[in-house]
Amino acid sequence: DTEVTQTPKHLVMGMTNKKSLKCEQHMGHRAMYWYKQKAKKPPELMFVYSYEKLSINESVPSRFSPECPNSSLLNLHLHALQPEDSALYLCASSTSQGAQETQYFGPGTRLLVL
Amino acid sequence: AQTVTQSQPEMSVQEAETVTLSCTYDTSESDYYLFWYKQPPSRQMILVIRQEAYKQQNATENRFSVNFQKAAKSFSLKISDSQLGDAAMYFCAYRSAGGYALNFGKGTSLLVTP
Repeated sequence: DTEVTQTPKHLVMGMTNKKSLKCEQHMGHRAMYWYKQKAKKPPELMFVYSYEKLSINESVPSRFSPECPNSSLLNLHLHALQPEDSALYLCASSTSQGAQETQYFGPGTRLLVL
Repeated sequence: AQTVTQSQPEMSVQEAETVTLSCTYDTSESDYYLFWYKQPPSRQMILVIRQEAYKQQNATENRFSVNFQKAAKSFSLKISDSQLGDAAMYFCAYRSAGGYALNFGKGTSLLVTP
């Protein structure tokens, strides 16, 4: 089973709203990732968690706040977003953070900021 | 930073035919990993095939195979006996042996015609 699930599938929010994206995997993976993908563009890495600790933050604005409550769950809290933050947000996981490990992606959450 | 170039924004192939998608990359490293990911219209990113740079043998996975030319820094994907379900955006990705991020190319949109 190589399944990564993400909820919700679609999200529309205003610039003053607070919302959260959820990602879950039950493969025993200890590394989890958030990517942002704009239309017709490749994914761009935002955050990496390794063993539930934030290991990489790719200079992402503070209006995006990741959280890893346990080894299976990864959240992305959103607050005061801008319309240009509208994108597909992809979660991925791998056995570890090692470069040799394959990353498995979830289906994504399509976010629209009005 | 390593760059990945996919020079074919769009490709088209007839069902049952063979198509090759090109990918080149720029790196000064000797140890790294290369991946092809497929992203169908449903948007879930799926691993197609991976190649370790230290392996001379080209990776194969059923109808998918790669032509890995390390000296030329080329990593093309061949799809044999193309099927309608192969229609998708294909991303080539590079990951440094000491790195954490997947560096994606801009993608090639593959159309499969009956």
